[in-house]
Amino acid sequence: DVKVTQSSRYLVKRTGEKVFLECVQDMDHENMFWYRQDPGLGLRLIYFSYDVKMKEKGDIPEGYSVSREKKERFSLILESASTNQTSMYLCASSRIQGGMTQYFGPGTRLLVL
Amino acid sequence: GNSVTQMEGPVTLSEEAFLTINCTYTATGYPSLFWYVQYPGEGLQLLLKATKADDKGSNKGFEATYRKETTSFHLEKGSVQVSDSAVYFCALISNFGNEKLTFGTGTRLTIIP
Repeated sequence: DVKVTQSSRYLVKRTGEKVFLECVQDMDHENMFWYRQDPGLGLRLIYFSYDVKMKEKGDIPEGYSVSREKKERFSLILESASTNQTSMYLCASSRIQGGMTQYFGPGTRLLVL
Repeated sequence: GNSVTQMEGPVTLSEEAFLTINCTYTATGYPSLFWYVQYPGEGLQLLLKATKADDKGSNKGFEATYRKETTSFHLEKGSVQVSDSAVYFCALISNFGNEKLTFGTGTRLTIIP
């Protein structure tokens, strides 16, 4: 079974802190994704990566950056956390062939005070 | 651009009732269509998918048929159980150039005994 793990289930941070969210997948998938989930808005793509050191902006990249130094690991960075970044963050991975299923981690619920 | 519109929730049904959650989409070309489910406290998991017109995806008693003429992918189940209580997301991947999933806003389903 594909396994996608995220470093924390819950995080509480203060405004202005630098925040790292880590995601690891064990199926050698080429693609990895970061989404945020907010009530009434569904899931929105922040960034995705199709290879090591490669990244593309999603629909809402402002205030975020990412890092992919190894194929299995994809990090989301909030350079200076703000209260409007309080959300549920979901990581996913998939193979690179067209139309492939994305596999999701359990999510990190981030509260920024 | 691509978009997914799904039935607003929340939806509350009695056990053994018939379920339909409507989903329509806008996309260029021939997208692949998905239903994901999110159980309380968990990440998303694939429920079913269809990759071409007239395909029927099915899993755990749920079904959805890819209708190109009506650009729809409605989710149905003949007899729901309490354990089906979850949030359901309709999504698509365009077959043009990238692997970004476009999600609907989600429909919260509650089944009462």
